[in-house]
Amino acid sequence: GAGVSQSPSNKVTEKGKDVELRCDPISGHTALYWYRQSLGQGLEFLIYFQGNSAPDKSGLPSDRFSAERTGGSVSTLTIQRTQQEDSAVYLCASSLSLHKETQYFGPGTRLLVL
Amino acid sequence: SQQGEEDPQALSIQEGENATMNCSYKTSINNLQWYRQNSGRGLVHLILIRSNEREKHSGRLRVTLDTSKKSSSLLITASRAADTASYFCATIESSNTGKLIFGQGTTLQVKP
Repeated sequence: GAGVSQSPSNKVTEKGKDVELRCDPISGHTALYWYRQSLGQGLEFLIYFQGNSAPDKSGLPSDRFSAERTGGSVSTLTIQRTQQEDSAVYLCASSLSLHKETQYFGPGTRLLVL
Repeated sequence: SQQGEEDPQALSIQEGENATMNCSYKTSINNLQWYRQNSGRGLVHLILIRSNEREKHSGRLRVTLDTSKKSSSLLITASRAADTASYFCATIESSNTGKLIFGQGTTLQVKP
């Protein structure tokens, strides 16, 4: 079947604008994760969703960042009032469940905030 | 926050040689995983080793884990130009069940 897909592949925005990044997990995977990769910070966990449980938001860097997962499938990561330091590659991953440790990653969305 | 250090940060070898990368971590873990990343995009899962395992093999890959030293190594034998990529170790801590904590990564270049 298809792997994890993300859109858009690349996004250029102006400082202060809001952006939405989308992730389609592998069908049947109940756990979904967002990570961010930037030059200065490496790969950082942002948030994960598992079924109908409350998401673990402990990695979100500020209240400008939010994410939702509708119908237990597609997820959207929203960054409000973007700042230049938000520029990074945003990676989504999914796994069969929270306890199935292999996470399958999408190709990422490269975000550039001017 | 990053779990620990990877060593070396960069490695350049000739095709056919072996490549060894090391990873250290800070907390008690459930398991440790190695991922490969090409061209700064998606990560590909290579191998997972659990905290009660000491060594694991997968094709040309050999991973060791020393929980007393909180360290792991990834050995790629008979390297190929196609192995050129960045390699990351990642841990799942004993105290949580989901999120991966990544090391800084090792950039491997295999010259043909």
